[in-house]
Amino acid sequence: GNSVTQMEGPVTLSEEAFLTINCTYTATGYPSLFWYVQYPGEGLQLLLKATKADDKGSNKGFEATYRKETTSFHLEKGSVQVSDSAVYFCALSDRDGGYQKVTFGIGTKLQVIP
Amino acid sequence: NAGVTQTPKFQVLKTGQSMTLQCAQDMNHEYMSWYRQDPGMGLRLIHYSVGAGITDQGEVPNGYNVSRSTTEDFPLRLLSAAPSQTSVYFCASRRRGPPQETQYFGPGTRLLVL
Repeated sequence: GNSVTQMEGPVTLSEEAFLTINCTYTATGYPSLFWYVQYPGEGLQLLLKATKADDKGSNKGFEATYRKETTSFHLEKGSVQVSDSAVYFCALSDRDGGYQKVTFGIGTKLQVIP
Repeated sequence: NAGVTQTPKFQVLKTGQSMTLQCAQDMNHEYMSWYRQDPGMGLRLIHYSVGAGITDQGEVPNGYNVSRSTTEDFPLRLLSAAPSQTSVYFCASRRRGPPQETQYFGPGTRLLVL
């Protein structure tokens, strides 16, 4: 079946540092890939997505490129802020029978210190 | 639009008690899902629905029931609560469509079973 692998963290960075959160996936079809973010005490919300190989998703300074050859979708940001502290989930969506099933990674906690 | 709403926000149950977690969405989405979030395990799918009157099991369905009598509502029932069901529960909805459709999450229900 499909799976998504990411480190749990926490990842601790100083403000303005460069961020990379790795995500690799296994899928039988041609999935769409997502990054969701969960701020403390809230539900998940979409950060960015990509639908096919070599697509780049971007939002709020975050970027991720769909790499089919390495089955990866790593999240990057050039300069993190304290307000970026959250849990980041990598996810894929693919057809499973008649249903578009979404598979999530375990989530990576990011802590940004001033 | 309220989006996806969940009630209650917090609940404490005793082992063996039953309860219903409510979920509603006002976006006319066909697909609705229930997830539980546990440390180190990410989000796991409990049950899902592809439309009114249609439900199916996810990864961890035991101990939970669902029904979908309307497009808007998708309640989750705990039949006889157990400490292992202590978790944070998220309801999500999305449109039927290609894999790149975004999921919209509710704010979550924190459940403690004593």
